[in-house]
Amino acid sequence: QPQLQESGPGLVKPSETLSLTCSVSGGSITRTSYYWGWIRQPPGKGLEWIGAIYYSGSTYSNPSLKSRVTLSIDPSKNQFSLKLYSVTATDTAVYYCARRETSRTSWYDPWGQGTLVTVSS
Amino acid sequence: SYVLTQPPPVAVAPGQTARITCGGDDIGSKRVHWYQQKPGQAPVVVVYDDSGRPSGIPERFSGSNSGNTATLTISRVESGDEADYYCQVWDSTSDHVVFGGGTKLTVL
Repeated sequence: QPQLQESGPGLVKPSETLSLTCSVSGGSITRTSYYWGWIRQPPGKGLEWIGAIYYSGSTYSNPSLKSRVTLSIDPSKNQFSLKLYSVTATDTAVYYCARRETSRTSWYDPWGQGTLVTVSS
Repeated sequence: SYVLTQPPPVAVAPGQTARITCGGDDIGSKRVHWYQQKPGQAPVVVVYDDSGRPSGIPERFSGSNSGNTATLTISRVESGDEADYYCQVWDSTSDHVVFGGGTKLTVL
């Protein structure tokens, strides 16, 4: 199993852009068998899927967030990234990155440990 | 959009059986995955594709899925099973992943 690790600022101001990176170790991000995804969890609440990206750059994302989300991938660094624009306090959450097999119906495993991002001035 | 409904908190005594349901329209036609999340930790899949069990997950964890309800069953519950449990499917209509709201399991 590869290991995934999220990184990025823990505090973002309202209306600005949240930027996170997920570093993958112990396996190549360019393996054709997998998608790489983002899931978030507001404090004390449930999980919300954000989106996923393939090594080729193909992406799909949650319709409720799609207009504010950009996913990208950097095979040379074995990393993939999330940008969420125009954030508000409701975007405060623990953000997880995770791996999923190519099939849309598949599950996420493994997950990163998660990183808390707080949106506040 | 597709909605998954999970029950309020469930409490069981050690050694008993816990059943956590996940309701959705014709969920029996979808592949359901279950995650366990302990406080301060990332979710871990405990059942995939309705009833598959990943390596390292005890046989006490099992799943079923039919009609409008999927069920996660934990037999011989132990104190270490205390956690939040989430179901997850892929909604083909909207082409996105959906999670249930989660159910907290308390071991008495």
